[in-house]
Amino acid sequence: NAGVTQTPKFQVLKTGQSMTLQCAQDMNHEYMSWYRQDPGMGLRLIHYSVGAGITDQGEVPNGYNVSRSTTEDFPLRLLSAAPSQTSVYFCASSSAVLSGQYFGPGTRLTVT
Amino acid sequence: AQSVTQLDSHVSVSEGTPVLLRCNYSSSYSPSLFWYVQHPNKGLQLLLKYTSAATLVKGINGFEAEFKKSETSFHLTKPSAHMSDAAEYFCVVSVPYNQGGKLIFGQGTELSVKP
Repeated sequence: NAGVTQTPKFQVLKTGQSMTLQCAQDMNHEYMSWYRQDPGMGLRLIHYSVGAGITDQGEVPNGYNVSRSTTEDFPLRLLSAAPSQTSVYFCASSSAVLSGQYFGPGTRLTVT
Repeated sequence: AQSVTQLDSHVSVSEGTPVLLRCNYSSSYSPSLFWYVQHPNKGLQLLLKYTSAATLVKGINGFEAEFKKSETSFHLTKPSAHMSDAAEYFCVVSVPYNQGGKLIFGQGTELSVKP
């Protein structure tokens, strides 16, 4: 199993550009989520999904969109990048919330 | 509402001495609690989890944590620190599915281990 994979590993965007961060898991997990990690703030939940076709907002959803058309994939879209979105983004999956989550290696995004 | 507070942003110990990382939680329900570790420039790895079974939970790499309901604490300990334990540690509480079903992270404790 590859576990949770994320692409790209690094990305630099200009303000106003859009892009999609990819996340895939091969463990048949129903629960997937996106977090951003900023210094001194821990991880904050952006969006999450409890199954294909079901998504919901987390703590900091503004400026981000998600969709879940398959169990395996959970892409995160930045509609119009802003410098405040400079961060490290982690995707995670689990069979259930209580089982503990598997995290991907992260995407380091810089918006100039 | 659920929340978690890690009481120390940074802890420094000498190799071979005990480690204590403190975490207090707030939960309207019987909580599920986790500790994760993040090594520099790496993703997060689950160390251990408490889900209402035994109050003393053993994890990987010699770490353990004790759930104390009366103190609303879930402190992480290790009897003898190793250089490879230097990392950032996150205490996490889960929100039940009927409340949204998500994880809430503490702000993290950076552990330094001196030779």
